[in-house]
Amino acid sequence: GAGVSQSPRYKVAKRGQDVALRCDPISGHVSLFWYQQALGQGPEFLTYFQNEAQLDKSGLPSDRFFAERPEGSVSTLKIQRTQQEDSAVYLCASGGTGARETQYFGPGTRLLVL
Amino acid sequence: SQQGEEDPQALSIQEGENATMNCSYKTSINNLQWYRQNSGRGLVHLILIRSNEREKHSGRLRVTLDTSKKSSSLLITASRAADTASYFCATDKRDYKLSFGAGTTVTVRA
Repeated sequence: GAGVSQSPRYKVAKRGQDVALRCDPISGHVSLFWYQQALGQGPEFLTYFQNEAQLDKSGLPSDRFFAERPEGSVSTLKIQRTQQEDSAVYLCASGGTGARETQYFGPGTRLLVL
Repeated sequence: SQQGEEDPQALSIQEGENATMNCSYKTSINNLQWYRQNSGRGLVHLILIRSNEREKHSGRLRVTLDTSKKSSSLLITASRAADTASYFCATDKRDYKLSFGAGTTVTVRA
């Protein structure tokens, strides 16, 4: 079946703008993760959902970052009042019923804040 | 903060040669995974090795794990141009959070 999809693939925002990044996980996957990948670095964990419940948001860098998954499928990562340091690739991953199962990643959204 | 650290940072090899990269980590782990990332794309899962395993094979890939040294290696045999990518190791500590290293960039020359 289809893999994880993310939209938009690229987003340019002016500093101070709000942005919303969408993730469509693999159908039936219970677990959903968001990661942030800075240029030249590996991904860093942001937040984890099990169905619609956000069980861990310890990696969100500030209260400007907010994630939701209201119906347990599609997820949105929202960044308010974007700043230049928010520029990064935002990766979404989904996994099966067990949180420790393989995570399948989407292509990412590349965010550039000017 | 990143738990894993890959070595070398970059590797350039001729098509047909083998490529070896290493990953060191700091704290005890449950599993260690290797991912590949092609330019502008997401991460593709390559192989998972559990903390009680020492070696695992998948096609042209061979992964070793030495928990006493807190290190792992990924060997790609008979490399192809399509293997050009960044390779990341990721560890988890009995939970869902994956901690990635900064990656090794592999270039396979034709």
